[in-house]
This record gives sequence, C-alpha cells and structure tokens, in this order.
Amino acid sequence: GAGVSQSPSNKVTEKGKDVELRCDPISGHTALYWYRQSLGQGLEFLIYFQGNSAPDKSGLPSDRFSAERTGGSVSTLTIQRTQQEDSAVYLCASSHNANSNQPQHFGDGTRLSIL
Amino acid sequence: QQQVKQSPQSLIVQKGGISIINCAYENTAFDYFPWYQQFPGKGPALLIAIRPDVSEKKEGRFTISFNKSAKQFSLHIMDSQPGDSATYFCAASYTGRRALTFGSGTRLQVQP
Repeated sequence: GAGVSQSPSNKVTEKGKDVELRCDPISGHTALYWYRQSLGQGLEFLIYFQGNSAPDKSGLPSDRFSAERTGGSVSTLTIQRTQQEDSAVYLCASSHNANSNQPQHFGDGTRLSIL
Repeated sequence: QQQVKQSPQSLIVQKGGISIINCAYENTAFDYFPWYQQFPGKGPALLIAIRPDVSEKKEGRFTISFNKSAKQFSLHIMDSQPGDSATYFCAASYTGRRALTFGSGTRLQVQP
C-alpha cells in the first residue's frame, strides 16, 4: 500500500495479558516511530528506529513495553502484563530517514482497550 | 524543557472566518515545527511545517507564523470551512532527536 499500515485496528484484551501491535511502514522509509495517544490528549513518543542504528527507547513508559523492527521494515510493539492505563491509541509513523526534517507519515493506529 | 504548550484547547469559528492556534516552546534546540491535522478515527496528517530561519510560511489557506525570539509559533487558517473541523496539533523536533514533541491539541469546529 501507499501509506503506513497498522494492525489490528482495534484490540480488546484483559488486564494482565500480553499484546502485540504491528506496523508496516511506507516502502523505502528507514525511520519508524511509535507514539501513544491517550483519550483526549496529545501524542506521546515511545520509541524510534533509524536504519541499523540502536533504537531510541527513551519514551517507553516501563519495562513492560518493548519493540522490534525486523529486516529494517515491519515493526512490532509488545506490551506485557497489560494494565488499564495502557488503554490508548498506538500510532506508528515512518519517514525517509531521521537525519533531516523529513515529514513523518502516520498510520491510523491501533485502538487498545484493556478490560 | 521538552514541552510544547498549545492553546486554545477548543475553538469555534464561523465559516469564512480566520482560525488561529498558538504554540510556545522552551527548548531552543528545536529546529523543525510541523502542524498536523487529525480527523476522528484517523492518524495525524502533516499540514504544513516551518524551520526557524523563516518567519512565515504559507500553503494555500494555511499559514505558519514563527517568532524565534518569543519562542512561539502559530497556525492561521484563512477562510475556514466546515471541512476544516478537526483536531490540530503543533509539534517540534531537533537535529539528533527526530521524535516529535506534540502540543496537547486544539479541537476546531467551523460552523456553516
């Protein structure tokens, strides 16, 4: 596809379960970002990947959160032992690279609800 | 120091009017200032962006005004239309850390 694709679009799970969220960036984009948008709030940076460099994990809120990017393309955000405060929309974005002011293109997000 | 403060939280404008949204920042290292538009159920879409070496940038009905000394920037939407009704986010980033720091958002409603 032409844009950033995220799956699933919605996820409902019970507290304590693990969840995996997937992001397919725009083809050729080397930079990939994860953000979190809580209800009625702004976007909060979580983690970003640039090529083969070590990811910037400075935004991850706890060690329950982790992310991988395999083969420089698809990324998976994993949340272990989910808590109710993890309920939010998780957004992925990609850009040509992270070394200049390249625009970040966002997917439509995964809406995560923790019961 | 990473914070970007955005106001107002919500805005109601009549069709044809001018919508103005303001943002302020503290970190002088910021060197890229984009504005995003978000419709319900969709991801944010880049509207317009500016760098601090210019004071104004215009694209169609959308204009960014930038005041480096005051560390403020604003979005002006001229001839506002009902289709502009959305949430608008300002953001900032700097060389070496391209993760965006977002403002809290402004919900714009343009009444017909």
